[in-house]
Amino acid sequence: EAQVTQNPRYLITVTGKKLTVTCSQNMNHEYMSWYRQDPGLGLRQIYYSMNVEVTDKGDVPEGYKVSRKEKRNFPLILESPSPNQTSLYFCASSPQGYGGGANYEQYFGPGTRLTVT
Amino acid sequence: GDSVTQMEGPVTLSEEAFLTINCTYTATGYPSLFWYVQYPGEGLQLLLKATKADDKGSNKGFEATYRKETTSFHLEKGSVQVSDSAVYFCALRMNSGGYQKVTFGTGTKLQVIP
Repeated sequence: EAQVTQNPRYLITVTGKKLTVTCSQNMNHEYMSWYRQDPGLGLRQIYYSMNVEVTDKGDVPEGYKVSRKEKRNFPLILESPSPNQTSLYFCASSPQGYGGGANYEQYFGPGTRLTVT
Repeated sequence: GDSVTQMEGPVTLSEEAFLTINCTYTATGYPSLFWYVQYPGEGLQLLLKATKADDKGSNKGFEATYRKETTSFHLEKGSVQVSDSAVYFCALRMNSGGYQKVTFGTGTKLQVIP
């Protein structure tokens, strides 16, 4: 089944404890992206990747890191989480990055609910 | 920068009522436009899209037309059902200098009552 998977689905952690949220897609998509969803703010893009080894900042990158060493995986790293990073996080992928990639829709994972105390 | 403005919700309608959710955008070029739907406890999924001016996207009875002159992409459905209750997001995506960012609106919650 074509899908985007995220792990963990739920995570409660404490301020300053490094964590990684994994994202994997099995559709051979070039483009991958991370979003956070907050009430009243909709989805905001954190980072995106046009292809392997190519990443760029979205609108709210502060406090996050990403890497894209393989096409299928795009982990989100919080080096020192803070309470203002408590949110619902979504990973998404899309068939094409460069060229006509903007015409393609994104496929979303089920979300990771993160609470930082 | 680019932005998407959606009408605030929640929107409450009776079953079989007509639905309009307004979406307007600002962008420096010519974006592709999308409507996504999020059912409770799930991720977003594509509802419809339009990639150039005057294109009409349609799916499951929903429609939206890409209006460049008014920079709008309003979502409509002639007769809503209880199963349409969800949060609807308007989004734009465009190439800029070889890179892409995606901008979402804040979402509009729709509740359909029997």
